[in-house]
Order: sequence, then structure tokens, then C-alpha cells
Amino acid sequence: DTGVSQDPRHKITKRGQNVTFRCDPISEHNRLYWYRQTLGQGPEFLTYFQNEAQLEKSRLLSDRFSAERPKGSFSTLEIQRTEQGDSAMYLCATLLQGSGNTIYFGEGSWLTVV
Amino acid sequence: KNEVEQSPQNLTAQEGEFITINCSYSVGISALHWLQQHPGGGIVSLFMLSSGKKKHGRLIATINIQEKHSSLHITASHPRDSAVYICAVMWGGSQGNLIFGKGTKLSVKP
Repeated sequence: DTGVSQDPRHKITKRGQNVTFRCDPISEHNRLYWYRQTLGQGPEFLTYFQNEAQLEKSRLLSDRFSAERPKGSFSTLEIQRTEQGDSAMYLCATLLQGSGNTIYFGEGSWLTVV
Repeated sequence: KNEVEQSPQNLTAQEGEFITINCSYSVGISALHWLQQHPGGGIVSLFMLSSGKKKHGRLIATINIQEKHSSLHITASHPRDSAVYICAVMWGGSQGNLIFGKGTKLSVKP
């Protein structure tokens, strides 16, 4: 257990439905990242937050994707009108900037769109 | 575009062998991470390097900034080392974006 929690761990949804994933970081970690990983590939960057500010978004993050970190603690990643191509594992990672930059990953949230 | 290339993609070793996994990247970075991912998804950070060499138990990581290359070594490999090892770089042109290699799948046979 790295201390980064993700929920749900697994989600099966029908195409067109909306899904939301939650990430609870290690307390006081100011940076929070979202990544997407498909089978056989390394994780791909989606977006990251410095406290509550969303500082960077990948072009992978289409307008169906939105991420928030309203109070600088937990974060949510919402996917609207899911498509089969969204099936992947969504990983959250956090770090405390300036502390050696060790990054801690959650266990991931597996999404299957049927 | 910064590319992170790992080699080999797959590696099978006998217990006790010395393992080397390589990582090359194409532009300036501020840090490089070696990560371990077990089946089921969990990723654990092994090392964060910006220069030189680090050692933790049977694991050794080195980085050559001039050559844009890093290696992860495992001495006296054990079946429990079987996992995917991922190199990720913190790109110097972005304060937050970690760019990942595709990983090296290591299988250590008893």
C-alpha cells in the first residue's frame, strides 16, 4: 500500500455512459497526476495538478474528459459518453514537490467499456 | 517530442543471474525514475535519479546525463523480481509531465 487510494478499482460500463474515478493522495502531497495505461504499454500522461490548480493537460484529454481537484486534496477524473477506446487502466500518482520527488502510485482503476 | 526507449522489451533469466535493463531518452530531463509494476497494476517507485548512481539492496541504478542513458541492474536475481520495469523521465521542458517507456517485462525462472 503506497498510501494513494483509487476508487473504484474496477468499473464495467456501457458505451455512452459517464464514469467518475476518484484519487485520494498521500496527505500534503501537492502534486497529483493522472495517467492512462493500456495493455502492453507504459502509462501515458493525461493531466496534473499543483494543489488545486490544473497546470497541464495532454492532448489525449479530449473534451469528454475532465479532472478536478477542488480543495487540493482528492481528485476526480470524469469521462463522459464513454467509448470502447476508453477501456484502460487509469492511474493516479502523487508527490511532495521538493522532498526528493519520489512519486507514489495508486493501484489504478480498470475501466472496461462494453 | 521526447521519446523514452527501453531495452529489452522482454527478458527471461535464470535465478541468480545478473540483469541489466536499459533506458535511453532524447531530450534534456530534470529527473529519471525507475518503477516496478506487478501484475494487477500496482506501480512502485524504485529510484529517482538526476545524476550518478544509486543502490538499494540488490538493485542498482545509474544514469549518464551526457549520453542520455540510464541502466537498472539486478544482482542475484530471484523469481520475486519478476515484474515489468518502467523507466520514466521528468521532461525538462515541463514541470510535471512524466514520460514513460513501454516497460521491460522480466521473468526470472527458478
